[in-house]
Amino acid sequence: NAGVTQTPKFRVLKTGQSMTLLCAQDMNHEYMYWYRQDPGMGLRLIHYSVGEGTTAKGEVPDGYNVSRLKKQNFLLGLESAAPSQTSVYFCASSVSGSGSYNEQFFGPGTRLTVL
Amino acid sequence: GQNIDQPTEMTATEGAIVQINCTYQTSGFNGLFWYQQHAGEAPTFLSYNVLDGLEEKGRFSSFLSRSKGYSYLLLKELQMKDSASYLCASAHNTDKLIFGTGTRLQVFP
Repeated sequence: NAGVTQTPKFRVLKTGQSMTLLCAQDMNHEYMYWYRQDPGMGLRLIHYSVGEGTTAKGEVPDGYNVSRLKKQNFLLGLESAAPSQTSVYFCASSVSGSGSYNEQFFGPGTRLTVL
Repeated sequence: GQNIDQPTEMTATEGAIVQINCTYQTSGFNGLFWYQQHAGEAPTFLSYNVLDGLEEKGRFSSFLSRSKGYSYLLLKELQMKDSASYLCASAHNTDKLIFGTGTRLQVFP
């Protein structure tokens, strides 16, 4: 099993460009999450999904959109990138959102720089 | 919001014991996770506590006091490879975890 994978691993964008980050998991998990991690800020939840076809806003959703068309994939889109979106993005998945089943498995991260 | 607090940085010597504390809000509490994150890598699961008491897993142990909203991660016989950030995350009656900002542990020879 590959677990949680993310593509791309690195990306440099210019302000105003758009891109999509792809997350895939092969553990048949219902829940998937997108976080950003910045120095001194810890992990902040952008959007999450509790099942195929569902999405919900997290703590810092502005400037991002997501889609969960297939259970195994969770896409994060930046429509018009801004320098403030320079960050490391982590995708995670879990069996559910309850108790120990909320153990989240993380992908390797995408390092995004917006110039 | 639901705050979760842990120290920003700690240092320790190889072979020693270190305790990393975490406090969280008790409202709707449903479990406490600890993750380890090496620099440039993804967080990996260390432990989960939902009942009061100590859970031991080799050199690492995790403690929980539900009434005090308090947990700690205890690392024994420290090794250089234990230099990492340790993230505390609380679960509540929602679909999300609340992560602390992490404690960066540096182990010196």
